[in-house]
Amino acid sequence: NAGVTQTPKFRVLKTGQSMTLLCAQDMNHEYMYWYRQDPGMGLRLIHYSVGEGTTAKGEVPDGYNVSRLKKQNFLLGLESAAPSQTSVYFCASTGLQETQYFGPGTRLLVL
Amino acid sequence: SQKIEQNSEALNIQEGKTATLTCNYTNYSPAYLQWYRQDPGRGPVFLLLIRENEKEKRKERLKVTFDTTLKQSLFHITASQPADSATYLCALDPGFQKLVFGTGTRLLVSP
Repeated sequence: NAGVTQTPKFRVLKTGQSMTLLCAQDMNHEYMYWYRQDPGMGLRLIHYSVGEGTTAKGEVPDGYNVSRLKKQNFLLGLESAAPSQTSVYFCASTGLQETQYFGPGTRLLVL
Repeated sequence: SQKIEQNSEALNIQEGKTATLTCNYTNYSPAYLQWYRQDPGRGPVFLLLIRENEKEKRKERLKVTFDTTLKQSLFHITASQPADSATYLCALDPGFQKLVFGTGTRLLVSP
């Protein structure tokens, strides 16, 4: 079991560029989440999904879009990156239990 | 407004002592509260979950208490070791299988 994996591990973007972060889980979990983590701010929920084909907004959804076409994958898209989106992004998943399993994170720098 | 507060200052203790970390919250009525450990450059890892009808939960050297009247959870590590040095996050459930995280407290255990 790989658990939760994230691709890429690190990326540098220029302002206005777009990119997609990929999250994959092999635990057959229904729920998946995207967070960002900034110094002093803690983990903040961007978007989440309660099952294949569903998505919902979290606390800080502006500037991001998501898709859950397959149960095991949850994609986070930035259509036009801004310096304010420089952060560490974590994906997580959970099944029937309430505990969340996190991926290793993606460090994104927007110049 | 809803808030989760953890001491932002690092907690420094000597090896062998008990570390006690605090998580306070306002304007939530969570069904449960969780504690996670996060090491630098890694995703959070689940440690313990305690439900609203439980006063205390233990796992090896870890103990969590949950006081819904005080709106507070305490996280204890007994016989602390340098390997326990990390950031500890509390998280609570505002509903709908989502979690809201505190900003975390950094624990440093000196030999």
